[in-house]
Amino acid sequence: KNEVEQSPQNLTAQEGEFITINCSYSVGISALHWLQQHPGGGIVSLFMLSSGKKKHGRLIATINIQEKHSSLHITASHPRDSAVYICAVRYNTDKLIFGTGTRLQVFP
Amino acid sequence: NAGVTQTPKFRVLKTGQSMTLLCAQDMNHEYMYWYRQDPGMGLRLIHYSVGEGTTAKGEVPDGYNVSRLKKQNFLLGLESAAPSQTSVYFCASSYSSVWGTQYFGPGTRLLVL
Repeated sequence: KNEVEQSPQNLTAQEGEFITINCSYSVGISALHWLQQHPGGGIVSLFMLSSGKKKHGRLIATINIQEKHSSLHITASHPRDSAVYICAVRYNTDKLIFGTGTRLQVFP
Repeated sequence: NAGVTQTPKFRVLKTGQSMTLLCAQDMNHEYMYWYRQDPGMGLRLIHYSVGEGTTAKGEVPDGYNVSRLKKQNFLLGLESAAPSQTSVYFCASSYSSVWGTQYFGPGTRLLVL
């Protein structure tokens, strides 16, 4: 069982919709990362957070330490947001564990 | 700045052959990582380095060796390739701390026949 669970695995949306991708983990962590993998394969780090909320453009990442849960939101989605979104957590044992990703397709 | 580059982009090997994947970064980052990505699985750490001359094992180190002779380069070696090592390999680097924000290379697709 992966120590990082993402949902949904696949997500389709119409342009303009509000998107939410979820990430759950099992025990206490020191940091959580959100990454984006483009259709061509390239991987870009979006956020690293250990508490609260971060915002960059139309992307918002939140984390609830008590519930061991993080969400990535995309406002006013666009076809160029189509990608795989990956959650990764750093446990206190100094391991970085990656989720299997959420594949998002946004249609015009 | 080129960021993180990987050589080669694609390679086909026969079982038992050896090869070296090169990762180079021009951001003066201390920390470098090698991952593999397989269908249906998350990225898995093979080896990492916290500075020039240092290396450490990750989650799936068997069958791989690494070297960090220069700060900007991190080499991943396969001494005797096996079909199970067919994968996409990503190199990454980070500045501020181990497991800090990572910058990824474009990936190397390796097929072992």
